[in-house]
Amino acid sequence: QVQLQESGPGLVKPSDTLSLTCDVSGYSIKSNYWWAWIRQPPGKGLEWMGYIFHTGSRFYNPSLESRVTMSVDTSKNQMFLRLSSVTAVDTAVYYCARSHCSSATCYIDNWGQGTLVIVSS
Amino acid sequence: QSALTQPPSVSGSPGQSVTISCTGTSSDVVSYNRVSWYQQPPGTAPKLIIYEVINRPSGVPARFSGSESGNTASLTISGLQAEDEADYYCSSYTSSSILLFGGGTKLTVL
Repeated sequence: QVQLQESGPGLVKPSDTLSLTCDVSGYSIKSNYWWAWIRQPPGKGLEWMGYIFHTGSRFYNPSLESRVTMSVDTSKNQMFLRLSSVTAVDTAVYYCARSHCSSATCYIDNWGQGTLVIVSS
Repeated sequence: QSALTQPPSVSGSPGQSVTISCTGTSSDVVSYNRVSWYQQPPGTAPKLIIYEVINRPSGVPARFSGSESGNTASLTISGLQAEDEADYYCSSYTSSSILLFGGGTKLTVL
C-alpha cells in the first residue's frame, strides 16, 4: 500500500521560494508511475502543477512552468517541489500524488494528505 | 489551453440518482480513456472513484458510474447516501501530456 507524506514550511514570505518534500513509502519511486504535485487554494478547486518520472522526465503546467521545479531522489524514495517568486495567490494545500499514465490515459490513484502553505510576510 | 466545465453544484435526496457533467472545450480533452473522477469530502484529500471514463477502483461502490458522449463525460451516483456529500472533480489527460481538472461540483444530499 503506497503512502505519500508531504512536509515543508507552512509559512513562506512573498518573493521567496516554496520548497516541499514528499516521502513515498510502501512503493518504489523507481516504478512505472509518474509522481505529481497538485495544489488547492482555500475554498477553491484543484490545480495540477506537474509530474515527474524517476528518470527525470517531467511535464509542468504551462501556467507555472517558469516558476516550478520538480525532482526526485530515488535513493531516499522522495520527490521535491520548488516554486519560486511566490505571492499570496500561491497560498494553498499542496498534495503529492502517484499518477498512473500511459500514452492514452493518465489518472491519480493515490494522494498524500496535503500540507497547507501560506504565503505572507 | 482547453478547459473542463462542471456545474458548481447539484443536489438530491437519499435514494435518488444525480448526474454530474464535465464538458471539454475541444475534442481531444474528453475522448477515449482520458477522463477520471475524484471525490473530496470536506477537509480530506481527493480520492479516485472513476478512471478511464467507466472503470471503478477496488472498493468504490457500484453506485458510482461513468459515461461519455461527445465532448461530455458524466458521473452518475445512484441510490444517494448522506456519505456521498462531497466535492467531485473530473480530470482529463490532454494530447500535450497535461492533466486538466474541472472546476469541481459540490454535491448536497438533502
